[in-house]
Amino acid sequence: GAGVSQSPSNKVTEKGKDVELRCDPISGHTALYWYRQSLGQGLEFLIYFQGNSAPDKSGLPSDRFSAERTGGSVSTLTIQRTQQEDSAVYLCASSLTRESRGGELFFGEGSRLTVL
Amino acid sequence: DAKTTQPTSMDCAEGRAANLPCNHSTISGNEYVYWYRQIHSQGPQYIIHGLKNNETNEMASLIITEDRKSSTLILPHATLRDTAVYYCIVRGISSNTGKLIFGQGTTLQVKP
Repeated sequence: GAGVSQSPSNKVTEKGKDVELRCDPISGHTALYWYRQSLGQGLEFLIYFQGNSAPDKSGLPSDRFSAERTGGSVSTLTIQRTQQEDSAVYLCASSLTRESRGGELFFGEGSRLTVL
Repeated sequence: DAKTTQPTSMDCAEGRAANLPCNHSTISGNEYVYWYRQIHSQGPQYIIHGLKNNETNEMASLIITEDRKSSTLILPHATLRDTAVYYCIVRGISSNTGKLIFGQGTTLQVKP
């Protein structure tokens, strides 16, 4: 596709369950970012990938959160033993390189996670 | 990266210019000013960026003061579709990750 694709668009889960969120970046983009946005709040940085490696994981809120990227393309964000405070929209973004033109990050539409 | 300060909210009449201010008094010489916006229920969208000189593209103009301590994003003819949260972000060109740190932004309401 032409843009960043995220799935699922909506996920409702029960407290304690594990969830996986997927991001398909724009083809050829080497840099990939995960952000989280809680209701009415700003965007919170979670993790950055350059290729398949993650040199900056500083935003992951706890060890229940992990992410991987394979083939320099698709990324999966996994949340284990979900808690109600994990409810948020999880946004993925990609850019051509980390210093891409103007620092332009292209964002997907997000995955809305609701933990009951 | 330097901190930015923006008004929480602003109104603008449809068809008029919207001028969104941003203070970044601690900006350093190698830091750019970026503007993104987020329309309700969508992912953020890049608008424009600049270092020293004023910039213009098809979406907006960016005016940066000579001392670089503040800037203004100008939407020349605001439409209802420009209602969104506008984020002003400062980031160094030597950033190790290229990540952007978003603040609370300015909620712009364009009214008919």
